[in-house]
Amino acid sequence: GIQVEQSPPDLILQEGANSTLRCNFSDSVNNLQWFHQNPWGQLINLFYIPSGTKQNGRLSATTVATERYSLLYISSSQTTDSGVYFCAVENKLVFGAGTILRVKS
Amino acid sequence: SAVISQKPSRDICQRGTSLTIQCQVDSQVTMMFWYRQQPGQSLTLIATANQGSEATYESGFVIDKFPISRPNLTFSTLTVSNMSPEDSSIYLCSVGAGTNSPLHFGNGTRLTVT
Repeated sequence: GIQVEQSPPDLILQEGANSTLRCNFSDSVNNLQWFHQNPWGQLINLFYIPSGTKQNGRLSATTVATERYSLLYISSSQTTDSGVYFCAVENKLVFGAGTILRVKS
Repeated sequence: SAVISQKPSRDICQRGTSLTIQCQVDSQVTMMFWYRQQPGQSLTLIATANQGSEATYESGFVIDKFPISRPNLTFSTLTVSNMSPEDSSIYLCSVGAGTNSPLHFGNGTRLTVT
């Protein structure tokens, strides 16, 4: 089956810093989504982005489908951005292992 | 997006017993899935809940252990049967409007088996 790799596995930021999270996938996909799991376990859909670029406030995402990767950008990070960021592909959502982000004040 | 209510939010159960988890959506949805998240791990798909027919299970998951019902387009249940401590996980339902559309998750059920 399709493989999804995320990097980095862990990231610690000072509040206000910017970061880029990466998601590589092993085969072409029609569906790619980014999720944020907050410290209470809630899983929030950030972007549905099988290709192209989208922005939502301080977050933006880009998927280059032909090169099989997607990037999630977080600008001016806040402590509330802490949690785990997951990339998932395909309609039945194959998840990557996630990036654990900790933002320090 | 749809409002998804999942119950119970958490439970502590004894080994050998069963727990049924409910997922209620405030609007009709085409796609409905059940996932498991083991402690410190990512999410793994258990099965696709099919309205009016048997669920479609992923490799490693069987109907006898995880029976699923979906009587209509707004409701589904997942039962974790004959539980053991290895079943301690977060179980989540997710819903989507259709193929190639965003999926949204319920708040999950945190299950501890003692």
